[in-house]
Amino acid sequence: DQQVKQNSPSLSVQEGRISILNCDYTNSMFDYFLWYKKYPAEGPTFLISISSIKDKNEDGRFTVFLNKSAKHLSLHIVPSQPGDSAVYFCAAINAGGTSYGKLTFGQGTILTVHP
Amino acid sequence: EAQVTQNPRYLITVTGKKLTVTCSQNMNHEYMSWYRQDPGLGLRQIYYSMNVEVTDKGDVPEGYKVSRKEKRNFPLILESPSPNQTSLYFCASSLLLAGAQDTQYFGPGTRLTVL
Repeated sequence: DQQVKQNSPSLSVQEGRISILNCDYTNSMFDYFLWYKKYPAEGPTFLISISSIKDKNEDGRFTVFLNKSAKHLSLHIVPSQPGDSAVYFCAAINAGGTSYGKLTFGQGTILTVHP
Repeated sequence: EAQVTQNPRYLITVTGKKLTVTCSQNMNHEYMSWYRQDPGLGLRQIYYSMNVEVTDKGDVPEGYKVSRKEKRNFPLILESPSPNQTSLYFCASSLLLAGAQDTQYFGPGTRLTVL
């Protein structure tokens, strides 16, 4: 049962344009959502997060939007740069109950930004 | 330098031969976790630990053991490895809860092959 899903295995965009990465979830009890970026041969690194009580969080070129009614979040990268080419993972946390501390990841989306 | 280290980085072994992958962090983090990354499945949590002597199962704990005797170390033990445990393994740590307020720091990964 995949509670966090990234349905697009890959995305290709032109440098300078917007990249939009999508993530859907099924568990309405998730409290926080996070995006991680992963380069080959390295561990994932944290990018940006959002609390379930908010609908938007911005950090420089990165903005995460949360639509709780649709159980959907997205990561916008504007403008996209070739160095953004990586695998992006969406993740969710249930901060309470019996799953306290458990982190659930999506399958990942490979982003390629062309010069 | 703040970091999470894993050893070994690469390991080829045979079915049934017990092995341990070590994980150590120097950031005095309470929370530590193990993940495996498989194609098309993203990162799946194996076990996590909220503090010393406190461990909990993640999504895929079968065939693995962990221990948390000291704050800085969180070894992953495969008592009798099988080929379906061939994967890329990541250890991670963070302060307190793996929530939006505390980012997880990942190690560089351990690529395990079980023949």
